[in-house]
Order: sequence, then structure tokens, then C-alpha cells
Amino acid sequence: DSGVTQTPKHLITATGQRVTLRCSPRSGDLSVYWYQQSLDQGLQFLIQYYNGEERAKGNILERFSAQQFPDLHSELNLSSLELGDSALYFCASSTTSGKENEQFFGPGTRLTVL
Amino acid sequence: GQQVMQIPQYQHVQEGEDFTTYCNSSTTLSNIQWYKQRPGGHPVFLIQLVKSGEVKKQKRLTFQFGEAKKNSSLHITATQTTDVGTYFCAPDSWGKLQFGAGTQVVVTP
Repeated sequence: DSGVTQTPKHLITATGQRVTLRCSPRSGDLSVYWYQQSLDQGLQFLIQYYNGEERAKGNILERFSAQQFPDLHSELNLSSLELGDSALYFCASSTTSGKENEQFFGPGTRLTVL
Repeated sequence: GQQVMQIPQYQHVQEGEDFTTYCNSSTTLSNIQWYKQRPGGHPVFLIQLVKSGEVKKQKRLTFQFGEAKKNSSLHITATQTTDVGTYFCAPDSWGKLQFGAGTQVVVTP
């Protein structure tokens, strides 16, 4: 158990819909990262937040957005869903935002878009 | 961003054998992390390498960072069934991990 929690575990929805994935980092961790894992794209970095502020952006679509709240939990919002958005979404956390930080991954949310 | 190539993509190993997986970059890396993901699980941090030529050992796992900091390797000795999973290298760019495609390891008893 990494100490990072993600809800829900599974999510099944239809194209065009909007969903919200939630992540609670390890106690004391200020940084939250979101990753998408799919068979064709592998494990891709989406976005990072540090203490409530966006710190780095990766391959995140404009239909996707995220935020980190004052209590440090984070939400990833996916809208206008397409079939290709079906994937495993991981949240990870680390103590700081700089380099040389190991990241602790949550169990993931498996999103299926039908 | 930094792109790394991991080889091989798949590795079938007999229990008790040794194997090595490689991670190659066309650019110099500031540091590199290795993660392991068991089937159905999430990535778990194994090690971070920062210095040129660095070698770190964790029991049967030996990690190496090349002298030019453009490649890294993971060598596992006396493979066990618990070593099953996908091993990823991930250059770290200020928290942005750029994961390689991974080496999927299957162990035959």
C-alpha cells in the first residue's frame, strides 16, 4: 500500500460524457501527478500540481483538466469523452516538486468509455 | 521531452537465470528512475540514479547509469517468480517522469 488513494476504482461511461477522478496523496506529500496508461501509448505524464498550483504539463488534452485543493487532494476532470480515452489513470505523489523525488503511485482508476 | 528506448520489450526467463534490461537515450539525462509494475498493479519505485557511472544494488538487482548518462541498465540475477512484471526506466525532468515502454518479464518455473 503506497498511501495514495484513488476513487473510483472502475468507471464505465459513454462517449461525450464527463467524469471526475479523485486522488488523495500520501500524508505530507505536496506534489500530485497524473498519468495515463494505455496499451498503445504506454505510461504518459499528464500534469503535476504542487501545493495547489500547476507545476508542469505533459501530454494532457484540452478536454482534460485538473486541480489540487487546499487539503492537497486532487481531481482530474475528463470531458467530451471519446473511446480512445479508455485507459488506466494513475495518480502519484511525492514530498516536493523538484527532481530526484521518488513518486508513490495509487492503485489507479480504470476508465472504460463505451 | 526526453525519449528513452527500452530493450528488450519482452523477456522470457527461466527461474534461476540472470537477465539484463537496457534503457537508452539519445540525449544526456540528469537522472533516471526505475519502476516495477506487477500485472494488475501500479508502478512501484525501485531506484534512482544520478551520478555518471553510478552502480546501485538491491539484493539480486543491480542498476547502472552509463558514464555518459545516456543509458542505464537493470540486471537481475537468479530470477525468481516474484520478479514477474514490467520494468520501466523513467528519466526525471523536475518531477516529470518520461516513462519508457518497459520490459515485460515472464518467469518460467
